[in-house]
Amino acid sequence: QSVLTQPPSVSGAPGQRVTISCTGSSSNIGASYDVHWYQQLPGTAPKLLIYGNNNRPSGVPDRFSGSKSGTSASLAITGLQAEDEADYCCQSYDSSLSGWVFGGGTKLTVL
Amino acid sequence: EVQLVESGGGLIQPGGSLRLSCAVSGLTVSNNYMGWVRQAPGKGLEWVSVIYSGGSKHYADFVKGRFTISRDNSKNTLYLQMNSLRAEDTAVYYCAGAPYFNSGWFDPWGQGTLVTVSS
Repeated sequence: QSVLTQPPSVSGAPGQRVTISCTGSSSNIGASYDVHWYQQLPGTAPKLLIYGNNNRPSGVPDRFSGSKSGTSASLAITGLQAEDEADYCCQSYDSSLSGWVFGGGTKLTVL
Repeated sequence: EVQLVESGGGLIQPGGSLRLSCAVSGLTVSNNYMGWVRQAPGKGLEWVSVIYSGGSKHYADFVKGRFTISRDNSKNTLYLQMNSLRAEDTAVYYCAGAPYFNSGWFDPWGQGTLVTVSS
């Protein structure tokens, strides 16, 4: 069971907007540690998608955005495209565990 | 371009040992924070260990005393020595650039190497 909680799956039609939630607690997201997001295409390694809650590395389209509030964070994808079909995972730091923690991952299906 | 290439995975019996390697190009291992993250089949990612540029090492509780992270500066390579392996250590092990501070992120990532612990 992952420290950060994500829905197992979400889906949307091409062109639509979807959001993926990441729920933590007072020892991680709620303790003001930043949240980061990774995209994992089928059969490949994770790739940094969003860092520092809402920053995109070079090359990541602005269709991807992140936000954080209280003990939760969200990843939003607008203008959904077929190539966005992947697993998405959030990550933060937990002071109680003294280590980095991840969500269980959310599988995005583009209908 | 930065590249991280893991090797050393395979099938190992419970209680056995394995050493993973991560050959790095495009960045200097000794000047960077580096780490290992694993992903069990069908499961989420788990942080395993990090080594800082100054040499300090940190481990997740579930591998303390069993796994050892190290690096060879002359080969620009990161290692993970895994002893007393258990079935629950079965996972793809990724080498990655580690967070520079508690609120940091993992980037870049290697392609991973699969470790299967089974009799």
